Amino acid sequence: DVVMTQSPLSLPVTLGQPASISCRSGQSLVYSDGNTYLSWFQQRPGQSPRRLIYKVSNRDSGVPDRFSGSGSGTDFTLEISRVEAEDVGVYYCMQGTHWPPTFGQGTKLEIK
Amino acid sequence: EVQLVESGGGLVKPGGSLRLSCAASGFTFSTYTMYWVRQAPGKGLEWVSSIGSDPKYIYYADSVKGRFTISRDNAKDSLYLQMNSLRDEDTAVYYCAREQGGHYLWDYWGQGALVTVSS
Repeated sequence: DVVMTQSPLSLPVTLGQPASISCRSGQSLVYSDGNTYLSWFQQRPGQSPRRLIYKVSNRDSGVPDRFSGSGSGTDFTLEISRVEAEDVGVYYCMQGTHWPPTFGQGTKLEIK
Repeated sequence: EVQLVESGGGLVKPGGSLRLSCAASGFTFSTYTMYWVRQAPGKGLEWVSSIGSDPKYIYYADSVKGRFTISRDNAKDSLYLQMNSLRDEDTAVYYCAREQGGHYLWDYWGQGALVTVSS
């Protein structure tokens, strides 16, 4: 299975400040069709996961534009330009290029 | 509006059985590949099983293979997970999820059903 490694695992951020989460995969996530199937999910306390980003950098409908995804190959990043109180929760990266799909351990974002 | 609503969770003893259901609405259920994903208390996310729009395409995680059975009833817009020989480590919230565009692109998730395996 492809191992997904996130860092940091805990991320205290001041309101209005930027935040960045790194995700590294154990092997390249570029599929034979040229796409890279790397998604980011947000899980607020007590809620189910919500997808924010798919195929590295595509934002889902309704996701604020302060969220952005980037990266290639094995290194990926989720950035929040200005953290708001509603961003508190756990963020997961997930690869869908190789079977079985696998998730990172999660990064807990909290407000300082 | 797309909705996925799980039901059937509860407390069961080790070795027991439980059947989860996921009722879908707001989309043409029969044309989508569907998934079960679980999350143990305080832990991360784990893919459990998937079933294609053509139900001959069924896959399981090694951790549940031979014990869990995924199925669907397109006439009822429903997804199921029959869980047998349950173990303590199967304790988790179980989510159903819809795939849009292949490659585990899960765009909608249910609210989850809690399964607790304990004596």
